[in-house]
Amino acid sequence: EVQLVESGGGLVKPGGSLRLSCAASGFTFSNAWMNWIRQAPGKGLEWVGRIKSKTDGGTTDYAAPVKGRFTISRDDSKNTLYLQMNSLKTEDTAVYYCTTSAYWGRGTLVTVSS
Amino acid sequence: DVVMTQSPLSLPVTLGQPASISCRSSQSLVHSDGNTYLSWFQQRPGQSPRRLIYRVSNRDSGVPDRFSGSGSGTDFTLKISRVEAEDVGVYYCMQATHWPPWTFGQGTKVEIK
Repeated sequence: EVQLVESGGGLVKPGGSLRLSCAASGFTFSNAWMNWIRQAPGKGLEWVGRIKSKTDGGTTDYAAPVKGRFTISRDDSKNTLYLQMNSLKTEDTAVYYCTTSAYWGRGTLVTVSS
Repeated sequence: DVVMTQSPLSLPVTLGQPASISCRSSQSLVHSDGNTYLSWFQQRPGQSPRRLIYRVSNRDSGVPDRFSGSGSGTDFTLKISRVEAEDVGVYYCMQATHWPPWTFGQGTKVEIK
């Protein structure tokens, strides 16, 4: 059974940092292009960024609102995806999901507030 | 970025009746490889999104056959042949032809009359 389990969310002050993790199982993680999607309270879905598989170059791309502040990485030996979030803003408050598109985690809530 | 526009944004439906959601893209979603990367997602209240349809018309495993996707170019449709109570939620179209970024429609809220 495919599972994606996000963790690391919480309350952080504006300007602070947080690192989210996504533990994957049930599929060949190392071959997967992985994405982070977020959903602000009561709003729609917003793509945050993507990391390709290492065999496809392992490169990353980011949405304009987070570029330069967020960094996606992966550890294929641990089947884990990461999202390092720096210089957080109140508008980054959202549930963050990791996904391959076909598979989604349950999400982890990040609240940026003073 | 490609803009995805859904209509209607709210869809009250009667149980057992059909429902249809439209999604239009600001440019053609035909990829240079010949595929069209348009997907539909369902998000039930309090749950994560779930993919229902990929590449316009392919149902994901476990998705009831009352859900169907169609369309081409810039115009796409998700149809529910007979709405059931468990179909209540928000439905999103998404394009992955011109990415990054993936872009989503605003969402269509399906509710029972």
